[in-house]
Amino acid sequence: GAVVSQHPSWVICKSGTSVKIECRSLDFQATTMFWYRQFPKQSLMLMATSNEGSKATYEQGVEKDKFLINHASLTLSTLTVTSAHPEDSSFYICSARLAGGNEKLFFGSGTQLSVL
Amino acid sequence: GQNIDQPTEMTATEGAIVQINCTYQTSGFNGLFWYQQHAGEAPTFLSYNVLDGLEEKGRFSSFLSRSKGYSYLLLKELQMKDSASYLCAPMDSNYQLIWGAGTKLIIKP
Repeated sequence: GAVVSQHPSWVICKSGTSVKIECRSLDFQATTMFWYRQFPKQSLMLMATSNEGSKATYEQGVEKDKFLINHASLTLSTLTVTSAHPEDSSFYICSARLAGGNEKLFFGSGTQLSVL
Repeated sequence: GQNIDQPTEMTATEGAIVQINCTYQTSGFNGLFWYQQHAGEAPTFLSYNVLDGLEEKGRFSSFLSRSKGYSYLLLKELQMKDSASYLCAPMDSNYQLIWGAGTKLIIKP
């Protein structure tokens, strides 16, 4: 099946620094990728939809200047958490849509971000 | 508004059968997904229903009734590794998945 690679899987950073998370579709082209955030014991929350070659569409309440998304190629999308603060500590997950058929999503393994 | 309703937690015995129910309200409908998520891991795809009826895939089956806004996931011959959260996620008219909090399934020996 289709594989989505997400890196890093775990990162600890100091408050005020920026963290970049990469999401790659390894064996298929993903015109659309999604970024989610999940706090402990809560549901996945869609942060933004990333389309290759265009600006990301952010969900209400998500600061686009804080969560920078770049989808420069059909196999790579990046999420940069700028000036991270402890309240940004969360599990970040990307997914890529396999076009055609049932619009099935394939998920990356997730990134656990801890901001000190 | 859009809403998903699933039980928060369920407990079942190894080898038994369990049914996880999900009711939903969405703006438009383009099918419903079930995902499994182990603690600290990303979700993995289990099933997709777009037409009414039962879809069987090995030990897992999923049912959909569009008129009732209702779906269930049926797990047979439960194994300890099935302990996880199960997420019901309908897709709305914009092809966006709507996520609930999921059902935490605890399997006991």
